[in-house]
Amino acid sequence: AQSVTQLGSHVSVSEGALVLLRCNYSSSVPPYLFWYVQYPNQGLQLLLKYTTGATLVKGINGFEAEFKKSETSFHLTKPSAHMSDAAEYFCAGTSAGNSGYALNFGKGTSLLVTP
Amino acid sequence: NAGVTQTPKFQVLKTGQSMTLQCAQDMNHNSMYWYRQDPGMGLRLIYYSASEGTTDKGEVPNGYNVSRLNKREFSLRLESAAPSQTSVYFCASKSITDTQYFGPGTRLTVL
Repeated sequence: AQSVTQLGSHVSVSEGALVLLRCNYSSSVPPYLFWYVQYPNQGLQLLLKYTTGATLVKGINGFEAEFKKSETSFHLTKPSAHMSDAAEYFCAGTSAGNSGYALNFGKGTSLLVTP
Repeated sequence: NAGVTQTPKFQVLKTGQSMTLQCAQDMNHNSMYWYRQDPGMGLRLIYYSASEGTTDKGEVPNGYNVSRLNKREFSLRLESAAPSQTSVYFCASKSITDTQYFGPGTRLTVL
């Protein structure tokens, strides 16, 4: 089965600074990996996903992530943080070993953006 | 195109009461899921349905039942609510490209 771990439950950056949110996965089979964003009192919105092919994945709102098999990582980055990026971010994964391809979620990282 | 809809948005129950959370999707997806979200825990799978007429347990199924009424609808029932079931409940459906789309959630408090 597939599992993910997010490093850092809270990350604070200044507006305009680099955003780096860390995610590592463990899987005995090729994983599908996702990043979702959740704004307060809302559902989850897909930022980007990796299934197969290019390992550098670009998503919405200027975010991107790189699948690194050698490091079992799928870190989320954005070159320049905006105040509107403040939210909860979830890394999730699935694979052929997961029930119905259900997602296994990390515990989330709360991103704070300061002026 | 509404995507995934959930009702109700909020609910307060007393211990022992029952209720059904409704979920519907209009994207013609085969697979549907129920997750619960608790602070610091991420989302955990309660039940899923890989296709109309089938349902299976997830990580935390105790105290819940589900019904896949048709391809569009997947309901979650709490037969006898407990305070430990206070949570935010999300329904999701999965596309053929393996992307899951989430509803807005139901915030449930059990007193």
